[in-house]
Amino acid sequence: AQSVAQPEDQVNVAEGNPLTVKCTYSVSGNPYLFWYVQYPNRGLQFLLKYITGDNLVKGSYGFEAEFNKSQTSFHLKKPSALVSDSALYFCAVRGYTGGFKTIFGAGTRLFVKA
Amino acid sequence: GAGVSQSPRYKVTKRGQDVALRCDPISGHVSLYWYRQALGQGPEFLTYFNYEAQQDKSGLPNDRFSAERPEGSISTLTIQRTEQRDSAMYRCASSLALAETGDTQYFGPGTRLTVL
Repeated sequence: AQSVAQPEDQVNVAEGNPLTVKCTYSVSGNPYLFWYVQYPNRGLQFLLKYITGDNLVKGSYGFEAEFNKSQTSFHLKKPSALVSDSALYFCAVRGYTGGFKTIFGAGTRLFVKA
Repeated sequence: GAGVSQSPRYKVTKRGQDVALRCDPISGHVSLYWYRQALGQGPEFLTYFNYEAQQDKSGLPNDRFSAERPEGSISTLTIQRTEQRDSAMYRCASSLALAETGDTQYFGPGTRLTVL
């Protein structure tokens, strides 16, 4: 069975500092990995994904993520956080389990303080 | 361009009633996905379609839940004999290419279902 773990319910960071939101996964075969962001009372917005190729993926709003196969991780990073980055972040994995369903993590709430 | 739309945006129903939730994907998108999301939690997979074919319905909680996409475009998620535990946000997403390709899913605004 495939699964996603986001070990931190909440991450606090000061504006201008680097941020990391952690994600580990379990899936058979090669994974497709995604990050989505959700602002209050809004839908989910796509940030970035890893399908194949370069392990470092760059996405929207200056975010990036690194695929680490040996550690089965896909941590989200940003060099310099903004207050406007405060939101709920979801990691997701899609792999073959008789179909290609996508499993989402429980989410990590990011607070960026001015 | 137009994104994924869902209707109704809010639905309040009484326990035991049937409800039908509609999803209109982005034009030309071949795959369509249904999720259920509790407040502050990640979306929970329900089912997905490639064109009109339902590929995986393993996430549907029980046989009161069903989904169809008869013409490969609009999809309907139906919940029969609703129960209070069915109350949640129901989200739909679509992707231009098949799920198997890893293509990006674009989400609709969701339908907030409340069962009294």
